[in-house]
Amino acid sequence: DGGITQSPKYLFRKEGQNVTLSCEQNLNHDAMYWYRQDPGQGLRLIYYSQIVNDFQKGDIAEGYSVSREKKESFPLTVTSAQKNPTAFYLCASSPRVKAGNTIYFGEGSWLTVV
Amino acid sequence: GDSVTQMEGPVTLSEEAFLTINCTYTATGYPSLFWYVQYPGEGLQLLLKATKADDKGSNKGFEATYRKETTSFHLEKGSVQVSDSAVYFCALSDNNDMRFGAGTRLTVKP
Repeated sequence: DGGITQSPKYLFRKEGQNVTLSCEQNLNHDAMYWYRQDPGQGLRLIYYSQIVNDFQKGDIAEGYSVSREKKESFPLTVTSAQKNPTAFYLCASSPRVKAGNTIYFGEGSWLTVV
Repeated sequence: GDSVTQMEGPVTLSEEAFLTINCTYTATGYPSLFWYVQYPGEGLQLLLKATKADDKGSNKGFEATYRKETTSFHLEKGSVQVSDSAVYFCALSDNNDMRFGAGTRLTVKP
C-alpha cells in the first residue's frame, strides 16, 4: 500500500542526546515536510524539502536538522540544542510544494525527553 | 502573513446533533482551504478541500463552503456519530505554504 511510514512510533531521549526520526514515503511525491504538534495546539512547520538535496527552514527550525539524499526519505534529527523537544512529530508529503496541493501525513512519532 | 483561526473547543455533542465548527482565514492571495481530522494517537487525514470561492467540499457527511466575502470555511455535519469524535483542523494553502488552525476537539456522546 502507498503511504508514509514514520518510525519509531515512541522514542525516549536523554538530555544532551541527538535522536533521529525516520520518514519514508512510497507515493513518489517530490515534496516532504516535518511538523511539530504540542498538546492541544496546532501544527508548526520545522523543515520542508521540494526536491532531493534541497530543503528549507520552516517556522521553528532551530535545534533541528534534516537531510534529503533520496526522494523517498526525509529523516529529522532532533539535536541537543532543541531545549524543549518533547512533542508529537508529523512527517508529510505532497506531489510538490504548490498552493492547493493536498498534504498527506504519516502516523506520527512521539518523542519524550527523560 | 497568512493565518487560520478556528473556533475554540472542546465541543461536546449528543449523537445525531448538528455540528458547526467555525473557521476564518487571513490571506493575501487566493488560497485553497482544507479540513483535516486527527483521531487519537494518529496523523492527520484529509477530510475535504475547496480550491476556489463558492466551492463546496464534502466527504462522509461533512461539508464546508469556501466563502470569500466572509473569509470563512465553516465545517458542518447534519447528524454526528460517536465515531466522529476527533480533533478537526482547518488549514489554508497559499504561496507554497500550508497554515493550520489550532484544532477543535469534538466529543460525541451516545
